[in-house]
Amino acid sequence: AQTVTQSQPEMSVQEAETVTLSCTYDTSESDYYLFWYKQPPSRQMILVIRQEAYKQQNATENRFSVNFQKAAKSFSLKISDSQLGDAAMYFCAYRSLSGGSYIPTFGRGTSLIVHP
Amino acid sequence: NAGVMQNPRHLVRRRGQEARLRCSPMKGHSHVYWYRQLPEEGLKFMVYLQKENIIDESGMPKERFSAEFPKEGPSILRIQQVVRGDSAAYFCASSDRGSSYNEQFFGPGTRLTVL
Repeated sequence: AQTVTQSQPEMSVQEAETVTLSCTYDTSESDYYLFWYKQPPSRQMILVIRQEAYKQQNATENRFSVNFQKAAKSFSLKISDSQLGDAAMYFCAYRSLSGGSYIPTFGRGTSLIVHP
Repeated sequence: NAGVMQNPRHLVRRRGQEARLRCSPMKGHSHVYWYRQLPEEGLKFMVYLQKENIIDESGMPKERFSAEFPKEGPSILRIQQVVRGDSAAYFCASSDRGSSYNEQFFGPGTRLTVL
């Protein structure tokens, strides 16, 4: 079974600074998807960024980018120019592509605090 | 294009009562997934349904929990004889299986509190 580990329960960053949230996962598969979701206090789950494992290029969405290290099974999220609205829980998720499984496995989350 | 709708957003029940949580998928989506989130935990998969079919219920507790997705109307997650341990946020997601990517779009969740 796949597991997703987020080793940082909480992270803090100053507004306009950069922060990196870590995520590691365990799998024996070669093809899969990785995601970062944001959950603000409203509790709505919002997809921030996704990465296909077969792509070597790191995904980027505006101020959000990932550092995908497939061999190390690491998938960190970098938030540049942090804004107060970035404060939320961030969940890393893994989804297999084998066996018709479309169910993601989530990590326990990292709470991001943004200081003005 | 409305997103995934869930109601109620908050539900309070006393021990032993029944809880019914509703999920209306995004327009055009025929696949629904239910997740449970306990405090300070990630989302845990419960059940995956298509119209009138349960595809994967490997995450559902064996007793008291059931789910359906009828031909017409929303998907329902039903919890009978609720206990305090059922208190959690329950999220529904939907997808269009026809897309190669099959992204799941999440609803805002229902927070269940059992007194």
